[in-house]
Amino acid sequence: SYVLTQPASVSVAPGQTARITCGGINIGSKSVHWYQQKPGQAPVLVVYDDRDRPSGIPERISGSNSGNTATLTISRVEAGDEADFYCQVWDNDSDVVFGGGTKLTVL
Amino acid sequence: EEQLVESGGGLVQPGRSLRLACTASGFSFGDFGFNWVRQAPGRGLEWVGFIRTKSVGGTKEYAASVRGRFTISRDDSKNIVYLHMNSLQSRDTAVYYCTREAYSNFVSEYWGRGTLVTVSS
Repeated sequence: SYVLTQPASVSVAPGQTARITCGGINIGSKSVHWYQQKPGQAPVLVVYDDRDRPSGIPERISGSNSGNTATLTISRVEAGDEADFYCQVWDNDSDVVFGGGTKLTVL
Repeated sequence: EEQLVESGGGLVQPGRSLRLACTASGFSFGDFGFNWVRQAPGRGLEWVGFIRTKSVGGTKEYAASVRGRFTISRDDSKNIVYLHMNSLQSRDTAVYYCTREAYSNFVSEYWGRGTLVTVSS
């Protein structure tokens, strides 16, 4: 089955840029979606189809996808960005797959 | 305002069955497909299954971990999506979220707040 690999944690100081990766074999050929989940809350879609944002998601959150790695980039990180982030793809052979999640800590 | 509300969770013994419901409001229910996604305590997200709209046959897809035990259905007259769970095991213990698909295949645009299912004797 298709596997998505995310770092367990990423730490960044306020105002800096956080990059959260999602690795998978030839993931660049798939559409990647990202969710943010704050403690005790349901996840929120922040990026779909590699780089598109739903309405209400700030422009400082962006996505990219190429080769074997997709990346979620959060610029000018704020304390309120602290959360778990999950990537997701649909693979024809494995159906819907989520990455293991990355905990973003704002120092 | 689009809203999804899950119900039906609770404590259930191993081997028993449970039915979850997801009641939708604030949008045209019949125009959308729905996912079920679960999250075991302290763990990550796991996709459970999906049901398409009636216009494309209302077909369903399931994760391998639940295929043959879980069934998704929908009642467009009541704006409800169901998750029927049979032969429950301790590893099925999780918060179960109902989500509305949008943008692309299986993308979850809107999420409910979830309902906790605990499988234990």
